[in-house]
Amino acid sequence: SQQGEEDPQALSIQEGENATMNCSYKTSINNLQWYRQNSGRGLVHLILIRSNEREKHSGRLRVTLDTSKKSSSLLITASRAADTASYFCATPSSGANNLFFGTGTRLTVIP
Amino acid sequence: KAGVTQTPRYLIKTRGQQVTLSCSPISGHRSVSWYQQTPGQGLQFLFEYFSETQRNKGNFPGRFSGRQFSNSRSEMNVSTLELGDSALYLCASSMSNPPGNTGELFFGEGSRLTVL
Repeated sequence: SQQGEEDPQALSIQEGENATMNCSYKTSINNLQWYRQNSGRGLVHLILIRSNEREKHSGRLRVTLDTSKKSSSLLITASRAADTASYFCATPSSGANNLFFGTGTRLTVIP
Repeated sequence: KAGVTQTPRYLIKTRGQQVTLSCSPISGHRSVSWYQQTPGQGLQFLFEYFSETQRNKGNFPGRFSGRQFSNSRSEMNVSTLELGDSALYLCASSMSNPPGNTGELFFGEGSRLTVL
């Protein structure tokens, strides 16, 4: 399976702290994406990093990509209660037009 | 610009019945894909349509089918429902994706199906 795995499965932090979640994948990729999902809702795209990029920032988000290790990390700085959600990494299917999603990290930010 | 709209949001069916779910993509988006999300299996790709043609299909039985209309709206159908089909079905749209280089997907809120 090309599906990625995320680590940790669950993470609980205090408001204001930073949250880091990691993603590992199995095959070579053109890009890697991160999505957020609030409980039982649809997924929202957060950021896309291309295979020739090593780091990308968007607001309080920082994403890194290490293609040699087939891994990525998402850092959320100065977390807020509203950041409470599940976060998924996703990679394009080789030769097709869909994404493979990781298992997700459930983040809880305590006010 | 309106987002991706999925209907119905919630539905309850019994085993053996069939169900049809609908998805209206963002205006101008020609690619529509469907995903099934369950606690046990996570997010699994069902199929992807572009210009009324199914381009890719995931590893699901033939009971799962779909189609896309000329206005890019899409429907998926599940026949002979089983308990294990209970899931959140998510539709996503995008402009177009080169094979192997899928970009950002825009998701609807999903249709929550419960099979009793």
